[in-house]
Amino acid sequence: GDSVTQMEGPVTLSEEAFLTINCTYTATGYPSLFWYVQYPGEGLQLLLKATKADDKGSNKGFEATYRKETTSFHLEKGSVQVSDSAVYFCALSGNTGGFKTIFGAGTRLFVKA
Amino acid sequence: DTAVSQTPKYLVTQMGNDKSIKCEQNLGHDTMYWYKQDSKKFLKIMFSYNNKELIINETVPNRFSPKSPDKAHLNLHINSLELGDSAVYFCASSPDRADYGYTFGSGTRLTVV
Repeated sequence: GDSVTQMEGPVTLSEEAFLTINCTYTATGYPSLFWYVQYPGEGLQLLLKATKADDKGSNKGFEATYRKETTSFHLEKGSVQVSDSAVYFCALSGNTGGFKTIFGAGTRLFVKA
Repeated sequence: DTAVSQTPKYLVTQMGNDKSIKCEQNLGHDTMYWYKQDSKKFLKIMFSYNNKELIINETVPNRFSPKSPDKAHLNLHINSLELGDSAVYFCASSPDRADYGYTFGSGTRLTVV
């Protein structure tokens, strides 16, 4: 079945450091790919998405590119802030049974001042 | 106005009790979901309704019963609560297909003692 694998955390960075959180997926067909962010005590928020190969999703300085050849959707940010500390989830929605979204295990990010 | 609202936010109850969690969305979305998030932040889909029709019913104990009186509401009733039911339960909604991305509620933290 479809699955998402993301790098284990926690990831600890200093403010203004470069962020990469790796995500790879397994799916039949051509899924849509997402990154969600969860701040402490809150629900998940959609951060960005890409719906086809080579699409780049971007929002709030974060970006990720849909790479079909490597089945990856890595999240990057050039300069993190303390306020980016949260749990980040990679997810996919397959084009078969398109109502279900499969989430990765989440990666916790700590940013130090 | 909160787009997806869940009540209650916290629920502490004894084993064996029956409880309900309510969810409402004012986004005009056609599809609503229940997800369970365990203590390690892993998210697992439980149920989904599309225009009041049950479309996803994962392997969940039959003590859990969803109900959707209309497409803006999705409730979750849990009978005979067990310690292992302790988790955060998230409601979410999406337009007709999940590949548009979800809007999540802020969650209900259920603690069974």
